[in-house]
Amino acid sequence: DSGVTQTPKHLITATGQRVTLRCSPRSGDLSVYWYQQSLDQGLQFLIQYYNGEERAKGNILERFSAQQFPDLHSELNLSSLELGDSALYFCASSATGQSNQPQHFGDGTRLSIL
Amino acid sequence: AQSVTQLDSQVPVFEEAPVELRCNYSSSVSVYLFWYVQYPNQGLQLLLKYLSGSTLVKGINGFEAEFNKSQTSFHLRKPSVHISDTAEYFCAVSDHNAGNMLTFGGGTRLMVKP
Repeated sequence: DSGVTQTPKHLITATGQRVTLRCSPRSGDLSVYWYQQSLDQGLQFLIQYYNGEERAKGNILERFSAQQFPDLHSELNLSSLELGDSALYFCASSATGQSNQPQHFGDGTRLSIL
Repeated sequence: AQSVTQLDSQVPVFEEAPVELRCNYSSSVSVYLFWYVQYPNQGLQLLLKYLSGSTLVKGINGFEAEFNKSQTSFHLRKPSVHISDTAEYFCAVSDHNAGNMLTFGGGTRLMVKP
């Protein structure tokens, strides 16, 4: 158990809809990361937050947004969903967000777009 | 920008045989290196990391990896594999200068046969 909790585990929805994925980091970790894992793109970094502030942004679509709340949990919002958004979305956390710190991953949310 | 190449998408091996999973990276700056394992329907679990110092690093479950700066490689090895090692293995790098975003290789599926 990594200590990172993601909900829901599975999400099935239709094109054009909007969903919210939730992540609770390990106790004491201040930084949260979101990654997308798909068959064609592999594992790709989306965005990082540190103590409520956006720290780094990767290949995140404009239809996607995220935030980290004062209690340090994070949400990833995906809107105007397309078939290609079907993927496994991982949240990870680390203590302070420095690059020499390993990230601890949750079990992911599997998003299926019908 | 950095990139990671895992040269083998699949590695079949018999139980109790040794195995090496290859990883090469490309970066214009110094990097930190990580290996993660993903079991079916689970998140990524950290196997080991190279930050600095000794180029041979030992991780969990009997795995070790050797950092070779001149060859920009970070190959993962285990002297004797078990059925339970069957999983997907990911090599990843983080840039000393670009925050803590991880760049992953495409993964290697290790298939241990009895």
